[in-house]
Amino acid sequence: GAVVSQHPSRVICKSGTSVKIECRSLDFQATTMFWYRQFPKQSLMLMATSNEGSKATYEQGVEKDKFLINHASLTLSTLTVTSAHPEDSSFYICSATDPLLRTGPYGYTFGSGTRLTVV
Amino acid sequence: AQTVTQSQPEMSVQEAETVTLSCTYDTSESDYYLFWYKQPPSRQMILVIRQEAYKQQNATENRFSVNFQKAAKSFSLKISDSQLGDAAMYFCAYRRAKTSGSRLTFGEGTQLTVNP
Repeated sequence: GAVVSQHPSRVICKSGTSVKIECRSLDFQATTMFWYRQFPKQSLMLMATSNEGSKATYEQGVEKDKFLINHASLTLSTLTVTSAHPEDSSFYICSATDPLLRTGPYGYTFGSGTRLTVV
Repeated sequence: AQTVTQSQPEMSVQEAETVTLSCTYDTSESDYYLFWYKQPPSRQMILVIRQEAYKQQNATENRFSVNFQKAAKSFSLKISDSQLGDAAMYFCAYRRAKTSGSRLTFGEGTQLTVNP
């Protein structure tokens, strides 16, 4: 079935540095990628939606300059957390839709998530 | 805007017993899809079951079934013959039908514990 590979699974970085998280669709073309943030024991909060070749659409309250999203190809989307601070520590998950519906009717495929710790 | 509400933050069930997780949603749309996702300790999101709003028949997937009440905007998940591996956070989710690639709206989640 459809797979989204997300890397890294865990990352620890120093405050003030930037971290890049990658999501690759391995066997389908992800025209739309969703980026979520999840705090412990809470739900997934949508941060932004990106469509290949165009600028991402950010949810209200999400800082565009801090969370840079690039979706330059149909198989790769990246989230860069710039000038990270301890409050950015969280679990980040990507999710893709496949226009050819190989993810299943109305389906979404999720990456395995990235646990970011900023120290 | 669409909202999804799960009023049970935590539930527990004995192994082999049946448990029902509740979900209500609010929408002005007539055509939409509803999902239940499972998130085990690994935190990988796993699709459990989905329901198309235009279908009156409730979806079933082996031990998992839903009770879809469109007029009441209710979408509960029943897990029969609960197994230890069913222990996870369960999320109810909604998406509009008319727009391809439209976003999922998640509920707050229900943490399910399965006792041996």
